[in-house]
Amino acid sequence: AQSVTQLDSQVPVFEEAPVELRCNYSSSVSVYLFWYVQYPNQGLQLLLKYLSGSTLVKGINGFEAEFNKSQTSFHLRKPSVHISDTAEYFCAVSEIYGNKLVFGAGTILRVKS
Amino acid sequence: DAMVIQNPRYQVTQFGKPVTLSCSQTLNHNVMYWYQQKSSQAPKLLFHYYDKDFNNEADTPDNFQSRRPNTSFCFLDIRSPGLGDAAMYLCATSRDQGATNEKLFFGSGTQLSVL
Repeated sequence: AQSVTQLDSQVPVFEEAPVELRCNYSSSVSVYLFWYVQYPNQGLQLLLKYLSGSTLVKGINGFEAEFNKSQTSFHLRKPSVHISDTAEYFCAVSEIYGNKLVFGAGTILRVKS
Repeated sequence: DAMVIQNPRYQVTQFGKPVTLSCSQTLNHNVMYWYQQKSSQAPKLLFHYYDKDFNNEADTPDNFQSRRPNTSFCFLDIRSPGLGDAAMYLCATSRDQGATNEKLFFGSGTQLSVL
């Protein structure tokens, strides 16, 4: 079985500052990794996913994440955040032959002006 | 245009009174999922339908049931809601069963309160 740990429940940051949201996973098999974003009163939207290939994955809204197999991490980064990035971010993992996602508990990103 | 629609946005029910949450999709996707998301916790998969085939997660309580009368609609029935069932319920769809390469499309969720 897989599990996902998001180390920070909340991350406050000033506008235009860089941000990193941390995610670690555990699994006994190879996995695919995802980041989802949930804006207030909305459903989850896919930000980016890692399936194979380059370990640096670029997603929507200027976000990127790097897969680090040795550290079992998939941290999400953005070099300069905007107020509109305020949301909750979920890291998720799936077995490569599986059909369901296991989510982390989420990290609330609060961008302040 | 909304592609996965959940109604209502907020639902209040009484302890022990059956409640049904609904989800509809305009994507013609084969797979529909129900997730439960309690406050400050990760969304947790309850079950999913691949077409008409129902797949229950091992740890989903018997109190939770689901129906999928056609491709477009899927219902979550809670037979006897308890206080611990208060949560956001998220419906999602995917074109095929492999969530890995397929994008999951989520609805906005139904926030269930149990009084």
